[in-house]
Amino acid sequence: DQQVKQNSPSLSVQEGRISILNCDYTNSMFDYFLWYKKYPAEGPTFLISISSIKDKNEDGRFTVFLNKSAKHLSLHIVPSQPGDSAVYFCAASAQGGTASKLTFGTGTRLQVTL
Amino acid sequence: GAVVSQHPSWVICKSGTSVKIECRSLDFQATTMFWYRQFPKQSLMLMATSNEGSKATYEQGVEKDKFLINHASLTLSTLTVTSAHPEDSSFYICSASTAYEKLFFGSGTQLSVL
Repeated sequence: DQQVKQNSPSLSVQEGRISILNCDYTNSMFDYFLWYKKYPAEGPTFLISISSIKDKNEDGRFTVFLNKSAKHLSLHIVPSQPGDSAVYFCAASAQGGTASKLTFGTGTRLQVTL
Repeated sequence: GAVVSQHPSWVICKSGTSVKIECRSLDFQATTMFWYRQFPKQSLMLMATSNEGSKATYEQGVEKDKFLINHASLTLSTLTVTSAHPEDSSFYICSASTAYEKLFFGSGTQLSVL
């Protein structure tokens, strides 16, 4: 039972344009959501998070939107840069707003082209 | 950001042997470490939560006698895959947390059991 789903295994975006990565979840107990970025041969690195009490969180070029009624969140990267090319994982936690016991999606490989 | 070192990066072993994977937090004390496993085309799955000085808490379906976890200090946790078999071949990755706000991941270990 995949509780966190990233239905697009890959995405290609032109440099300068917006990248939108999507994530759906099924467990209504999730109250904290995170995005991680992973380069080859490295571990995932934290990118941005959002608590279930918010519907938007912004950090520089990265914005995460949360639609609780639809159980959907998305990561927007504007403008996209070649260095953003990586695998992006969506993760969720039901541990009271903490990052413990994360449930991960399968990841979306983003390629930003010149 | 904080650094988590994981060794080895990859290991090939014969069926029936045991393999130890180390996870070290280099510049912070990690009261809690998490061990994940990822099979091809699947998401990172939490195997166990390791607290310094106490027994690890295993997720449902993870054999605690097969996957031995030791968290003897605030900077080191080890995962030993005992009597490894080909079905244990997977990508194992650790993460460390201090205040549960963010997780810092190691770079992972690719285990291949022949």
